[in-house]
Amino acid sequence: DAGVIQSPRHEVTEMGQEVTLRCKPISGHDYLFWYRQTMMRGLELLIYFNNNVPIDDSGMPEDRFSAKMPNASFSTLKIQPSEPRDSAVYFCASSPGGGGTQYFGPGTRLLVL
Amino acid sequence: GESVGLHLPTLSVQEGDNSIINCAYSNSASDYFIWYKQESGKGPQFIIDIRSNMDKRQGQRVTVLLNKTVKHLSLQIAATQPGDSAVYFCAENRGQAGTALIFGKGTTLSVSS
Repeated sequence: DAGVIQSPRHEVTEMGQEVTLRCKPISGHDYLFWYRQTMMRGLELLIYFNNNVPIDDSGMPEDRFSAKMPNASFSTLKIQPSEPRDSAVYFCASSPGGGGTQYFGPGTRLLVL
Repeated sequence: GESVGLHLPTLSVQEGDNSIINCAYSNSASDYFIWYKQESGKGPQFIIDIRSNMDKRQGQRVTVLLNKTVKHLSLQIAATQPGDSAVYFCAENRGQAGTALIFGKGTTLSVSS
């Protein structure tokens, strides 16, 4: 198995631009998680899905952030408009159960200028 | 408030020494715990897990100990190697099926040769 796949690996954009991050979970995993990691705040859970349905989005910082999972093999995290404080590493993870082991992707390093 | 926390943010050891990384949790209902390793520029990687009906679990060079009386979790790494240098996170599931893991802030392990 290729593991969790994320794209792009690096993204540099200007403030105000739309950013779309993509994730392909491990086949057969029914949970998908989006995290944000910064030096100041550590690893923060943004949102997670079960069987493509958003279960908890209480970690999404504000309305500029949105996430979708149109099918079992694909999810997107969108930031519109982006701001410099959104600069972070965004991880996607998947698991075969809600409270079980999560497998992380390599992350997308986002820099908003 | 409830949180998964770590006793020390950094730990420096000599190659060949044994390392012990500690973690405290506050929710007695937590029934599943995981240790993750995150190397620079990569996503967190599963190391070892333990369920609350166990006190100890061993892997290859790693041992996790769980003390439910004092709500304490530790990761022991035997014969620490330079390749063990990373940030280590503990994570807990708070006893509710289908909920996400709660991650601690992380401990940075630095191994010098």
